[in-house]
Order: sequence, then C-alpha cells, then structure tokens
Amino acid sequence: GAVVSQHPSWVICKSGTSVKIECRSLDFQATTMFWYRQFPKKSLMLMATSNEGSKATYEQGVEKDKFLINHASLTLSTLTVTSAHPEDSSFYICSAEDPGTSGSDEQFFGPGTRLTVL
Amino acid sequence: QKEVEQNSGPLSVPEGAIASLNCTYSDRGSQSFFWYRQYSGKSPELIMSIYSNGDKEDGRFTAQLNKASQYVSLLIRDSQPSDSATYLCAVISGGSYIPTFGRGTSLIVHP
Repeated sequence: GAVVSQHPSWVICKSGTSVKIECRSLDFQATTMFWYRQFPKKSLMLMATSNEGSKATYEQGVEKDKFLINHASLTLSTLTVTSAHPEDSSFYICSAEDPGTSGSDEQFFGPGTRLTVL
Repeated sequence: QKEVEQNSGPLSVPEGAIASLNCTYSDRGSQSFFWYRQYSGKSPELIMSIYSNGDKEDGRFTAQLNKASQYVSLLIRDSQPSDSATYLCAVISGGSYIPTFGRGTSLIVHP
C-alpha cells in the first residue's frame, strides 16, 4: 500500500505555544488529505479535509483559526495547532488517498503524532 | 446523518478460532467499505476494502458485504494473539469521498 509519513511522531510543548505537524505522501501524490484526532480509548474524529491548493474544509465544531491547515503541494499537508492548551493533547493522525491504487478511495494513514501540552 | 455502527466489544475468542466482526451502516447509497486494524497507540492500518455484494478473501481475512441488509462483516480465521486490536469499519457514501468510521470493535485473542 501507499506510504504516508508524519513528523514529528510525538511532541511536548508548553501551553500557549504553536505546534506544526507535517503529513507527507511518500510514493504518491495526494490531492486530498484528511486530519483526524483521537483521544485515548475513543473513536477517530475527522477534523478537516485538506485540499491541495485550496482552503481546507473543517468539520462542525472544529475551530479553523486554531487548527490551521496548509496543503501547499501534492505530497505535503501541515496542521498547526495554534496557542495549544492541555485539552488539545491528543493523537493527531493524517490520511491520504492514493489515486493510483486499484481501490482509488482507499485511505492510508500516517503513523500519527502524539501531542502533549503541559 | 450517516451512521456506522459497531459493537464496541470486547470480543474475546480463543487462539485458532474464527473471529467475526460486524458493522451496519445507515446510508443505503454507500458504495465503498473498508476494514482497518488499529493497535493500541498506533494509527489505523487498512486490512481490506470491498465494493460489491458477497465475500472477498485475503489470506486469513474475509470481508462480507450485504447491501440489501446494510451490513459488512470481517471474519478472521485461525485467530492469533497478534490479531488482538481494535477493528474499525469505514463506509463511503455514493457521491462522497469522505469515509465515515465506526467506533471500532475491540478484539482479544487469548492463548
């Protein structure tokens, strides 16, 4: 399957700082990437859909000014958590579709970024 | 609202048994169906996709789709302790490209 990477894999920051998470498709071009958040023992929650060259589409209840998404190229999408607070501590996961695979709507997930805000 | 329902479990099966995981969905227009496996602390990993009614087999895994009854299931034959994980069902409706995920079923395979 297609490979999606994320960086960093984990990050600890102080309250009030901003954190940038990168999501890269390594062996394919992804027009669309998705950002999810998962709290411990909870289900995946879609935060936003990231579209290359255009504004992201945010799910209801997700603050677009707090979670800035930039999809500047076909292989890179970034999520910036601005002015992070302890309640933003979570597991952030991106995914992307590889249009070149036989199942063109199969999503492949990155390994995730664990964010801890002190 | 599109819904994907899974029993949260845990489903406990002995090693070597068949584990049966079920998922129902509300949108009759759904076209694409997926099963993901998620180990604790890790991100989901795609196991299988299925698009038409019937069975699809891949190794020890078999996905079954019944659109008339709006359910999709995953069978794991010869279950191993390493299969212990949460299994997520995901569904994409016709006209959409965004999957809706179920809450996942926790599977425990005990020796």
